[in-house]
Formats: sequence, structure tokens, C-alpha cells
Amino acid sequence: DADVTQTPRNRITKTGKRIMLECSQTKGHDRMYWYRQDPGLGLRLIYYSFDVKDINKGEISDGYSVSRQAQAKFSLSLESAIPNQTALYFCATSGGRGEQFFGPGTRLTVL
Amino acid sequence: QKEVEQNSGPLSVPEGAIASLNCTYSDRGSQSFFWYRQYSGKSPELIMSIYSNGDKEDGRFTAQLNKASQYVSLLIRDSQPSDSATYLCAVKADRLAFGKGNQVVVIP
Repeated sequence: DADVTQTPRNRITKTGKRIMLECSQTKGHDRMYWYRQDPGLGLRLIYYSFDVKDINKGEISDGYSVSRQAQAKFSLSLESAIPNQTALYFCATSGGRGEQFFGPGTRLTVL
Repeated sequence: QKEVEQNSGPLSVPEGAIASLNCTYSDRGSQSFFWYRQYSGKSPELIMSIYSNGDKEDGRFTAQLNKASQYVSLLIRDSQPSDSATYLCAVKADRLAFGKGNQVVVIP
């Protein structure tokens, strides 16, 4: 079984809809991250969490919110989706020396 | 200055040749350095970690770190078509920063 899982893997939605992307991990890591990736822009950090009670904004948090329900679960929400949030979204966990392990990604399209 | 810079443009190499990728970083306090491989539409996969100056070899991959010059490189020996992917350099100081990646195309 995969160490970091994401659901859904693909989602098409309409402008204004609320969307939740979920991430679960079995690696036992405390630190979890949400990124988006757009062609030519690389990986950009949206939010990160060092433990259940510690959540921090990344470089592009506007329009997004997160919930850390447990050590193993970290969800990303788009309260009112807009077309420029169309992207590939990755969840990641972090090990002891800073290396990050990524989930398979969610391809989100906002029409 | 960008935190992590990778030289631009796709790199085309013949099968069996050596692919060489370079990365420079700006924070002299950086302690951990990583290379990720990302196939199109897939997630980044950690392939190399290096923490001290010098070379580290793992199979056909060699990572080289020079903290004084603030660069880290990745060599892929005996390149195979399956090595065709984008390679991301990542550097950790207080947080992990990623370069935008270099595309490698191995030509059979």
C-alpha cells in the first residue's frame, strides 16, 4: 500500500463550488504539506502543518484552507473554486532530515 | 535571487551517455540537499539525498555537493530512455525549497 494517499485523483468542478482534497499517510510523520504545481511555475507551497495543533500558511494560501484532523490526515479545501485554481495538487510528508515524500497527486479542473 | 536555481532548457542525451544536471542555492545555512525525479503527470520521487561535501553514488546516480560554491549536481550514468523525466533540486535551510526542474530527454 502507498505511504501517502490522496483522494480524489481527478476532479472536475465548476466555479464557486466548495472542494475538499484529502490526504492520508502511514509513514508516521508529524509534518505534512500541500503544494500546487502549474506548468512553468514549479511546486508552490500552499499550507503546511508540523503537528495537529500547528498549521502555517505557505506562499500561496489565499483562497485555500486546511484541516489537520489527525497526525495521519491533512485536508485542503477550496471554499469557492475559481478557474485559476486549476492545477495538480500534491500532499507531502516530511522525514527527520527534511526529505519530503509525495502523494500521487490530484488533478483539479475548475470550469 | 531565487532560493534554488536550475539551468533552464531541456537536456537531450543519447542513450548510454552521461546526463549532468546542476543546481545552485542562495542560503549558505542550507544543510540538506535532495534530487527528485518527476515523470509527466506524476508526483516527485526522491532519488538522492546528500548532506556533506563530496560525492555520493547510488547505482547509476551520483550527487555532488560543494557548499563553498553553493551548488549541487546530479550525474546520471549510462542514461536509459526510462530516465526521461524532469529532475527537481531541493535544498533545505529552515524549510525545503524546490527548483523549477530540468527536463531530461534520453534519445534511443
